[in-house]
Order: sequence, then structure tokens, then C-alpha cells
Amino acid sequence: GENVEQHPSTLSVQEGDSAVIKCTYSDSASNYFPWYKQELGKGPQLIIDIRSNVGEKKDQRIAVTLNKTAKHFSLHITETQPEDSAVYFCAASSNDSGGSNYKLTFGKGTLLTVNP
Amino acid sequence: SAVISQKPSRDICQRGTSLTIQCQVDSQVTMMFWYRQQPGQSLTLIATANQGSEATYESGFVIDKFPISRPNLTFSTLTVSNMSPEDSSIYLCSGGTGNQPQHFGDGTRLSIL
Repeated sequence: GENVEQHPSTLSVQEGDSAVIKCTYSDSASNYFPWYKQELGKGPQLIIDIRSNVGEKKDQRIAVTLNKTAKHFSLHITETQPEDSAVYFCAASSNDSGGSNYKLTFGKGTLLTVNP
Repeated sequence: SAVISQKPSRDICQRGTSLTIQCQVDSQVTMMFWYRQQPGQSLTLIATANQGSEATYESGFVIDKFPISRPNLTFSTLTVSNMSPEDSSIYLCSGGTGNQPQHFGDGTRLSIL
């Protein structure tokens, strides 16, 4: 089955700095890679996702890059703000459509702290 | 995107009892998923729930312990049976349709005494 490794487990940055979280996956058939943000007491919230036919996707301060050859993908947050502090999870899914009908395998999460 | 509501949001239960968690989606979704999340840990898939058929369970999870219902395309329940302190966890459901992303509820925080 799929295995997703996520690093680092904790990350502390100063407000305004950039944060990068990296994930690797094992199953070359995986073709959908979402990122979730989980705040205390809440469920995971999708912040960005990427499919295997795209190498990079950006949404305002958030970007995700995918290297299919190396089987790794990364989350980049620029101009970090205190409200970005949360646990971030990467995930991978292998299926034909890359859609929500298929189960996700999650990384272990990264606790991001943005210091004012 | 689908909005998912879970009930109850939290509960404290006695060992040996059972609790049914409800998951309601504001739109029809093809599949729903149930996850367990230990405090400070990642999400582990318990089972995938399809309408009109039995749920598909992941390794380490069995139907007798975690029976699931999926009566229609907007609703599912997960029962945690014969609970022990080891079942204390956060239980999350998610759903989606087509090639749209999965969205999660806020979870049910369960403590077993």
C-alpha cells in the first residue's frame, strides 16, 4: 500500500518568513495530492491540492510543487502570518480519476508555529 | 464544496457501552469515509462507506467493532461497539463526489472511562 512520509514534524518561523513542508510517497500510481490544515478542535480543511499532470499550483500565499520522478511534493507558504499556525497534513491517493471517491493516505503532520 | 456535520461533537462514555456517530452532508456524495485520529497523531482510515453495500474496512478494523451504515447519499453512521479506553480518540468522517476533493467534518471527540 501507499506510504507517505512528511517532514519536518515541527516548524517554527517568524512572521513574514516562508515555510516549506515536504512529503514523499511510495506508490508511483498515486496521482492526487491534497494538503490539509487542521486547527485545534477542528477537522482538516483542504487548503490546496495538485494532480499528477501538473508540476506546480499556486493560490495566493500558498503553493504546492510536485516531482513525479522523485515521488515528492512540497507545500510552500510565503509571508506567513500568526493565523497560519496549525497542523498541516499532506496526503496521497491513487486512482484513475484522482478524485474524492478514493481513499487518502496521510502523512504524520507538521506543527507550524508562526511567531509574531 | 460539501459541508459535513457530525454529531455528537464530543462524548464521555463508560467502557463496555456503544456509541453511534452521525455524519450528515449538505449535498449528495458518492463515497464517505470514516477516520480515526489519536490525539496529536495523523488520520487513519477505518472504512469506506458506499450507499447500498457493505462498508469496506481497512486492515485492523472489523465490522463487529465498527459497524457502519450508509442509508443514502447524504448520511452515514459509525458505531463504536463495546468501548474500551483504547477507543478514546477523535473520529472523523469525510465525503466527496466525482473528482472533487474530500471535505471533513469537525470530528467527534470520544473519551472512554
